Amino acid sequence: QKEVEQNSGPLSVPEGAIASLNCTYSDRGSQSFFWYRQYSGKSPELIMFIYSNGDKEDGRFTAQLNKASQYVSLLIRDSQPSDSATYLCAASGSSNYKLTFGKGTLLTVNP
Amino acid sequence: DAGVTQSPTHLIKTRGQQVTLRCSPKSGHDTVSWYQQALGQGPQFIFQYYEEEERQRGNFPDRFSGHQFPNYSSELNVNALLLGDSALYLCASSLYRDTIYFGEGSWLTVV
Repeated sequence: QKEVEQNSGPLSVPEGAIASLNCTYSDRGSQSFFWYRQYSGKSPELIMFIYSNGDKEDGRFTAQLNKASQYVSLLIRDSQPSDSATYLCAASGSSNYKLTFGKGTLLTVNP
Repeated sequence: DAGVTQSPTHLIKTRGQQVTLRCSPKSGHDTVSWYQQALGQGPQFIFQYYEEEERQRGNFPDRFSGHQFPNYSSELNVNALLLGDSALYLCASSLYRDTIYFGEGSWLTVV
């Protein structure tokens, strides 16, 4: 069973802090990794994707990928109350666009 | 540029009935995938359509079927509805492996 595991949370951070969200995957054939944000009652919204080892930054968000450790993370700098949501980690293979999701981590940013 | 659009937004069905959900992909996207998201869980892959063919299928029974039309739009059909089919059904469209966007979803309640 190819799985994606996320730290169960919930995670609570104060406004302005760095939120760290973690994800591991079991399928070494996974090539691309995605972070989605999902507000309560809404659909997932793509934050960013990564497929090379190392860091990828986009504004306040940084995704980190370590294929040797099969580990993906998302850092949110200067967290805002509007960042409060469930964050979903997903992986896909090299030849298809099927996403395998973790269960998500609920993040709460306290003003 | 319209994003991924889904219809209907909400619907209530009775056990044993059949339902059809519809999806129009983002302009220029040729691949459509369907996901089921139960409460508190990550989305689960149902199947994917490309060039009007089912390209890949997840672990869902044959009661779940689909179709893709020449204009790339897609339908998801579920027969003999069970209470456990109550979920958010998400359509995702993509052109490349790193551009996968979700529609707003269809909330299905089976009573």
